[in-house]
Amino acid sequence: GAVVSQHPSRVICKSGTSVKIECRSLDFQATTMFWYRQFPKQSLMLMATSNEGSKATYEQGVEKDKFLINHASLTLSTLTVTSAHPEDSSFYICSARPRQGPYNEQFFGPGTRLTVL
Amino acid sequence: QKEVEQDPGPLSVPEGAIVSLNCTYSNSAFQYFMWYRQYSRKGPELLMYTYSSGNKEDGRFTAQVDKSSKYISLFIRDSQPSDSATYLCAMSAYNYGQNFVFGPGTRLSVLP
Repeated sequence: GAVVSQHPSRVICKSGTSVKIECRSLDFQATTMFWYRQFPKQSLMLMATSNEGSKATYEQGVEKDKFLINHASLTLSTLTVTSAHPEDSSFYICSARPRQGPYNEQFFGPGTRLTVL
Repeated sequence: QKEVEQDPGPLSVPEGAIVSLNCTYSNSAFQYFMWYRQYSRKGPELLMYTYSSGNKEDGRFTAQVDKSSKYISLFIRDSQPSDSATYLCAMSAYNYGQNFVFGPGTRLSVLP
């Protein structure tokens, strides 16, 4: 149980295009989903927290107009990188907090590697 | 000073060795402590989850928390090549909306 999927697992795009990444909790309902970015050999940096049905809360320094987050249901959150540039190339990981269970439990997706040419 | 500090390694040990991984932190409000294992180009997976001080054992893994010293450890007994990964500590305070703070991770290589 407690499986989180991400799609796509890898994407390569041209500079200036937009890319959408999906995060799904497959066997549980998630009240909260988190989006992280991880650069090579660095730790996870929280970008934003999204709660189902409400606007996402962005961390300081993260542009909300560039990284659009939609948490449409208790099992799906999407991150859209708008007008992507090479500096946006990174490993994007989502996690989901179950509706039931230890409050601080989070389950991570496998990540999406974005390469912007 | 970073909120959570962790030696990035890399740490190389022979198969069968006991591995000790550590994190220190500065925020005394942290009460929940997690260890995650992350294989290359994969998402982190939860290994151990502890609350407050004390020890917790799960198979070959033992997590220790010393809140008085703001120091947590993960021990791996009888290490295997399949344990080669990056180990991330994470922690949070028991406070609604408080999110995880991750350490930078330690890269471990277990050599056959």
